[in-house]
Amino acid sequence: QLQLQESGPGLVKPSETLSLTCTVSGASINTNNYYWAWIRQPPGKGLEWIGNIYYSGSTYYNPSLKSRVTISVDTSKNQFSLNLNSVTAADTAIYYCARSTKGYYFNYWGQGTLVTVSS
Amino acid sequence: DIQMTQSPSSLSASVGDRVTITCRASQIISRFLNWYQQKPGQAPKLLISAASSLQSGVPSRFSGSGSGTDFTLTISSLQAEDFATYYCQQSYRTSPTFGQGTKVEIK
Repeated sequence: QLQLQESGPGLVKPSETLSLTCTVSGASINTNNYYWAWIRQPPGKGLEWIGNIYYSGSTYYNPSLKSRVTISVDTSKNQFSLNLNSVTAADTAIYYCARSTKGYYFNYWGQGTLVTVSS
Repeated sequence: DIQMTQSPSSLSASVGDRVTITCRASQIISRFLNWYQQKPGQAPKLLISAASSLQSGVPSRFSGSGSGTDFTLTISSLQAEDFATYYCQQSYRTSPTFGQGTKVEIK
């Protein structure tokens, strides 16, 4: 059974870099059938797609976040990662990793991890 | 960006009621429309893809319809476990966007 698990600091200071890792179990990330995605949700608000990565390393980012986002993949560890730099309080959110079909819908999700941006 | 607008933002309904949620896209997206259910403290769960394709394991009381710019999610007979927030999401462009959500509450 496919499982995704986010990990990383729950508190990040303003202007610093938010870094999260998603560990995939139950299936190989090294597949040409799916993308791997990051999605976030500010507390009490809606969902925002951050970006996708393919096993080859090809990336697709939300245009509104593109200048601050880097998503990378480590197929040897079956993990993919998110870096978001120059964070502000507006980046406080639950961050989810998910599996994206090539049709760009998300059929498996991690449980999510809350990241708070505060000094 | 393609903007997705859901209506209503919230609704109150009773067990057994028929519930309909609407999602409108800011441009034509064919049938590239997906629906998710999110319960408090949980990740979203994919219910329907491609406007009307019910995912495996999702009860048949859920159905989706529409194409172009206007879509609906219908719950034919609301059950206690269906009280949640529902989101639509377009997958027409390689920059997916979500609606703002519709919260279904107990009347």
